[in-house]
Amino acid sequence: RKEVEQDPGPFNVPEGATVAFNCTYSNSASQSFFWYRQDCRKEPKLLMSVYSSGNEDGRFTAQLNRASQYISLLIRDSKLSDSATYLCVVSAREGSGTYKYIFGTGTRLKVLA
Amino acid sequence: DGGITQSPKYLFRKEGQNVTLSCEQNLNHDAMYWYRQDPGQGLRLIYYSQIVNDFQKGDIAEGYSVSREKKESFPLTVTSAQKNPTAFYLCASTNSGLRNTEAFFGQGTRLTVV
Repeated sequence: RKEVEQDPGPFNVPEGATVAFNCTYSNSASQSFFWYRQDCRKEPKLLMSVYSSGNEDGRFTAQLNRASQYISLLIRDSKLSDSATYLCVVSAREGSGTYKYIFGTGTRLKVLA
Repeated sequence: DGGITQSPKYLFRKEGQNVTLSCEQNLNHDAMYWYRQDPGQGLRLIYYSQIVNDFQKGDIAEGYSVSREKKESFPLTVTSAQKNPTAFYLCASTNSGLRNTEAFFGQGTRLTVV
C-alpha cells in the first residue's frame, strides 16, 4: 500500500459545481498535512495547510480525519481557473527527529464551461 | 531571495548517454527530493535525502543516481540504464526539522531523449 494515495481522476465538473477530493495516508503518526496545486507544465505550489480543526480559505475547505486517516479538499463554486492537479502532502516524524514529506501522485480537476 | 533552482530548464539527451540535472537551494533546508512526472500523470518519487551524505531510494530509483555532498545541492543523474527517461523532473526541498513547514519546488527540468 502506498503511503499517500489519491484518486488520479480526472474529475470533470461544470463551472459553479462543488467538488471534493480525498487523500488517504497509511502512517498513523503523520503530523502535518498540505494541499498543493500544480498547473500544467509548472511546479507545484502550496494551496493550503490542513489543520486538525479544519480550515477554510475562500472557496476552498480542507478537513482532516485522523481516525480514518484521510484529508479532504472541497472546492465550492468551481471556476475554469481551478483546473489543475491537486497534490496531497503528508509529513511524519522519523526516529532521527526529522520530518519526512510524502507527496501523493495528484488528482486532476477539469472545470468545464 | 531564497529559493530552489533547477537547471537546465530543457535538456535533450541521446540514447545511451548519461545526463545530470542540477538542483540547488539556498533555503538552508535539510531534506531534498527528486520526482518524475509523465504527461497527465502525478509525481513519482525517485530519490530523497534527509541529510548530507545520505539518501534513500524512492519508488522508481532504477536507472537514476544521486549524490548529496553539500546541503545546498542534490544533483540527479539519469543513466543509460533508464529505458524511458523522457519526462518532467521536479526537485523539492523542506526543512525537515520543522513540523509545519511547506515544501518548495524548483521550476523543473524537461528531459527529452532524441
